[in-house]
Amino acid sequence: DGGITQSPKYLFRKEGQNVTLSCEQNLNHDAMYWYRQDPGQGLRLIYYSQIVNDFQKGDIAEGYSVSREKKESFPLTVTSAQKNPTAFYLCASSINEQGASPLHFGNGTRLTVT
Amino acid sequence: QKEVEQDPGPLSVPEGAIVSLNCTYSNSAFQYFMWYRQYSRKGPELLMYTYSSGNKEDGRFTAQVDKSSKYISLFIRDSQPSDSATYLCAMGSGGTSYGKLTFGQGTILTVHP
Repeated sequence: DGGITQSPKYLFRKEGQNVTLSCEQNLNHDAMYWYRQDPGQGLRLIYYSQIVNDFQKGDIAEGYSVSREKKESFPLTVTSAQKNPTAFYLCASSINEQGASPLHFGNGTRLTVT
Repeated sequence: QKEVEQDPGPLSVPEGAIVSLNCTYSNSAFQYFMWYRQYSRKGPELLMYTYSSGNKEDGRFTAQVDKSSKYISLFIRDSQPSDSATYLCAMGSGGTSYGKLTFGQGTILTVHP
């Protein structure tokens, strides 16, 4: 079955440590995205990539970094510079077309930093 | 002011009720409108996708877009306990923005038997 796999489902880290969240898709989509979800705030865009080896900052990129070396993979690193990293992180993908493409989401990674 | 406003609820209704979920927006460039359903501890899944003004129906779900009022709605008929979830509206302007969507805060819906 085609889909987006995020791992791990739950992640716990100590403050000051960098952590990388995995996202893999087998939908053959060109575009991939990282969103952060906090209670009462909806989804906010962190980074997105429309093609391999290219990515752009979203609305809340500070303290995060990404890479896009393969079409299938778009890992997100939460660095120690991110002031409030505890959140639910969602990876998504879509085809690239002129219209606003619907996003297909993974089941998220819940990160807790103490 | 947020670009997209959605009443967070929570909304609690009896089984069989008609549910109305709504979003307002301020960006007149939005042309594509979506509704996602998100179950607890899961990722959002696409329910409805509409372009520009008008209605779209899919089973028990109807999406309505009024661009003149910058208002979109999702109606759920004959609601079921399995409809209990968070509902997110999302909008995009297309063009070079591609899949960049702006989301509402989400409305938590509970349908009780």
